[in-house]
Amino acid sequence: AQTVTQSQPEMSVQEAETVTLSCTYDTSESNYYLFWYKQPPSRQMILVIRQEAYKQQNATENRFSVNFQKAAKSFSLKISDSQLGDTAMYFCAFITPGKLIFGQGTTLQVKP
Amino acid sequence: GAVVSQHPSWVICKSGTSVKIECRSLDFQATTMFWYRQFPKQSLMLMATSNEGSKATYEQGVEKDKFLINHASLTLSTLTVTSAHPEDSSFYICSVKTSGEETQYFGPGTRLLVL
Repeated sequence: AQTVTQSQPEMSVQEAETVTLSCTYDTSESNYYLFWYKQPPSRQMILVIRQEAYKQQNATENRFSVNFQKAAKSFSLKISDSQLGDTAMYFCAFITPGKLIFGQGTTLQVKP
Repeated sequence: GAVVSQHPSWVICKSGTSVKIECRSLDFQATTMFWYRQFPKQSLMLMATSNEGSKATYEQGVEKDKFLINHASLTLSTLTVTSAHPEDSSFYICSVKTSGEETQYFGPGTRLLVL
């Protein structure tokens, strides 16, 4: 079965500091996509970053970057210079033909 | 990314009535639309996948006669909760993708409360 696991239900970080959210997945596919979505209190799902498995280079979007370890099936998200607006639930997701598989989510609280 | 709207944003209805939720892709040809359900502080649960002009494919355990999905055009899909009951109260979210693209873009969600 294809699964996504986020082992940190809740995390907190001080404003301006760096935090890393963990994600592992399990699949027998060789080519796939991985995503991080954030869901702030408004509950709107927002795409943060995506990674194509065939690309070795880690994706980066401004303050957000990933550490993609294909052999270990690990896909962590690093948020640099955390801002209050980063407070949200973060979901790691894996695309399998036809549908997204989501992890359980990590609630991140950025403290002033 | 795509801009996706949902209407209504929230709805309260009496038990036994039917409720229709619209999902619109405003600037994007949505060849595939997805409907999810989310309970508080939990992950998204996929209910069904619909391709434009085709019947929806429902996930195991989702009653297709209770959750009617129509995807008549590249910009509109509807989810109708028939004979709603309090246990159907939840947050319903749609997402869209286009052919050849794997990224899904999400609507803002609809809060349904059945009394």
